[in-house]
Amino acid sequence: AQSVTQPDIHITVSEGASLELRCNYSYGATPYLFWYVQSPGQGLQLLLKYFSGDTLVQGIKGFEAEFKRSQSSFNLRKPSVHWSDAAEYFCANTGGFKTIFGAGTRLFVKA
Amino acid sequence: DAGVIQSPRHEVTEMGQEVTLRCKPISGHNSLFWYRQTMMRGLELLIYFNNNVPIDDSGMPEDRFSAKMPNASFSTLKIQPSEPRDSAVYFCASSLFSGTGAYEQYFGPGTRLTVT
Repeated sequence: AQSVTQPDIHITVSEGASLELRCNYSYGATPYLFWYVQSPGQGLQLLLKYFSGDTLVQGIKGFEAEFKRSQSSFNLRKPSVHWSDAAEYFCANTGGFKTIFGAGTRLFVKA
Repeated sequence: DAGVIQSPRHEVTEMGQEVTLRCKPISGHNSLFWYRQTMMRGLELLIYFNNNVPIDDSGMPEDRFSAKMPNASFSTLKIQPSEPRDSAVYFCASSLFSGTGAYEQYFGPGTRLTVT
């Protein structure tokens, strides 16, 4: 069955430090993978997506993610975190009509 | 484009009352999704439509919930009668579905429902 796992419920990083959020997916066919961000009181916004091709994809706000088929992973990275990056991040995998979202990772940024 | 529009943004109602949430998807999109988000259960897909037709409503919690999409620019989610456990943020999202999973969803700002 299709599933998405985000093993970290929350992560705290210092402003300016690097960030990596983990995501593992499970789906038999070609994965269509996404990262969304949700700021407090708002809906989800697409950060980046992977459909095929180059396994390192660039997104908005300086984020990138790397698709690793051998590890069934699609981890999100940012080299230097800003205080405004504090939010909840969702990894997602789409098969057909249905999108499966992970449980989310809440990012806290400390000064 | 104005994005996905949801109304109302906040709704407070008493148990037993009917609640109707509204959504206007992005013009040109052919798929629409209703989600519910709570702290306990996270983001749950309730129902989705393609070309105004409900494709899968298996996520609708019970018969008290119903959703319609009378045309490509409008959808409603109705709860009748409402219960306190229905309190949550309800999101509508739309997308342009091309036949594969290669599509992203655009989310509205959500409706925060509180049932007392």
